[in-house]
Amino acid sequence: QSVLTQPPSVSGTPGQRVTISCSGSSSNIGGNNVNWYQHLPGTAPKLLIYRNDQRPSGVPDRFSGSKSGTSASLAISGLQSDDEADFYCAAWDDSLNGHWVFGGGTKLTVL
Amino acid sequence: QVHLVQSGAEMRKPGASMKVSCRASGYTFTDNFVHWVRQAPGQGLEWVGRIEPSSGAASFAQNLQGRVTMTSDTSISTAYMELTGLTSDDTAVYYCARGGHQVWLHFDLWGQGTLVTVSS
Repeated sequence: QSVLTQPPSVSGTPGQRVTISCSGSSSNIGGNNVNWYQHLPGTAPKLLIYRNDQRPSGVPDRFSGSKSGTSASLAISGLQSDDEADFYCAAWDDSLNGHWVFGGGTKLTVL
Repeated sequence: QVHLVQSGAEMRKPGASMKVSCRASGYTFTDNFVHWVRQAPGQGLEWVGRIEPSSGAASFAQNLQGRVTMTSDTSISTAYMELTGLTSDDTAVYYCARGGHQVWLHFDLWGQGTLVTVSS
């Protein structure tokens, strides 16, 4: 049972816009930044969004992040077939002397 | 180029220990935290713990306290994670990741992962 809650799966067709939600609590998302990672099985996870809505260099602006209260969202517009991957949200949690928590991951399928 | 390169796959029997290394290159090793994250088969990502290479200070996920040790050798820019008392629940791909200069900052660089299989 992950501390942050994500939908297990989302899907869309090429060109569509999809969103992935991430729900937490006041000790994690409510008081700290949210980061998003894209993970293809067998490869290293890749930082996609940091500090809620910032994109690292090289990440297309089709990917965007937002946060409100104890929830966050990742939006992917102009869906492409190679976007298919697992997506994880993560946040620092101030409880228990501080630790990182992740969502359970969302599998994106491009139909 | 900036890289984190991890040691190779390991197979261990229940009750044994394992130690994974993570060699950093292309940046100043002591400027950033190193975190360890694992992914069990069919599961999501789980934070294992972190080490501050400049001081050697480490902290761990509560469920692994007492079984995990993290160390670093700044002379060779390498971090290590050791896990003892292995069970089948520890079968996972273990990743090291570079954090920021503060522990709550995001992970911007990841190692390629090390598969650890625990089986009798």
